[in-house]
Amino acid sequence: EVQLVQSGAEVKKPGESLRISCKASGYIFTSYWISWVRQMPGKGLEWMGRIGPGDSYTRYSPSFEGHVVISADKSTGTAYLQWSSLEASDSAMYYCARQPPGTNTGYHIDSWGQGTLLTVSS
Amino acid sequence: DIQMTQSPSTLSASVGDRVTITCRASQNINSWLAWYQQRPGRAPELLIYRASSLETGVPSRFSGSESGTEFTLTINSLQPDDFATYYCLQYDSYPLTFGGGTKVEI
Repeated sequence: EVQLVQSGAEVKKPGESLRISCKASGYIFTSYWISWVRQMPGKGLEWMGRIGPGDSYTRYSPSFEGHVVISADKSTGTAYLQWSSLEASDSAMYYCARQPPGTNTGYHIDSWGQGTLLTVSS
Repeated sequence: DIQMTQSPSTLSASVGDRVTITCRASQNINSWLAWYQQRPGRAPELLIYRASSLETGVPSRFSGSESGTEFTLTINSLQPDDFATYYCLQYDSYPLTFGGGTKVEI
């Protein structure tokens, strides 16, 4: 069974750094991309970017590039989303999701993690 | 970026109704469209991919269709479990973009 298990909820202050995780199991980690998706409170879904764990190639949405970094550790089957300086506007639910790779953008997202709730407040 | 315009934003329906939700793409996306269901407090779940292919395990009352740049999710005989928010996703071009969502409520 495919599982994406994310790290727990976080409460941080503006300016702090953070890394959240997404541990994959039930499939070959390097055979699928991992995307990250943001959902702000009461709002819709926004694709942030993705990584191919096999080669660590990343692609970001322009809306998020430069503000977050996506990485992956093949040895542990874990993907990460990190911030170096959080802002209050980063408060949201963050989902990791599995995506079959393809020649350009890949295929549809087919599995989701349970989400990590981030609250940034002074 | 490709814009995905989803309508309606809210839909009121009853158990047993047939409902349709539409996503219009701002340009050709070559059928690279998926539909997701999100129940309150839960992660989204895949329903339909490649515009009309039903994901394994998803009830057959869900179906997807397309006409040019307009894509439709149809739910036949709405069940209590179907009251949720639905999103389309285009994966033809970067960045991937979602529709704004349709909340199906009683």
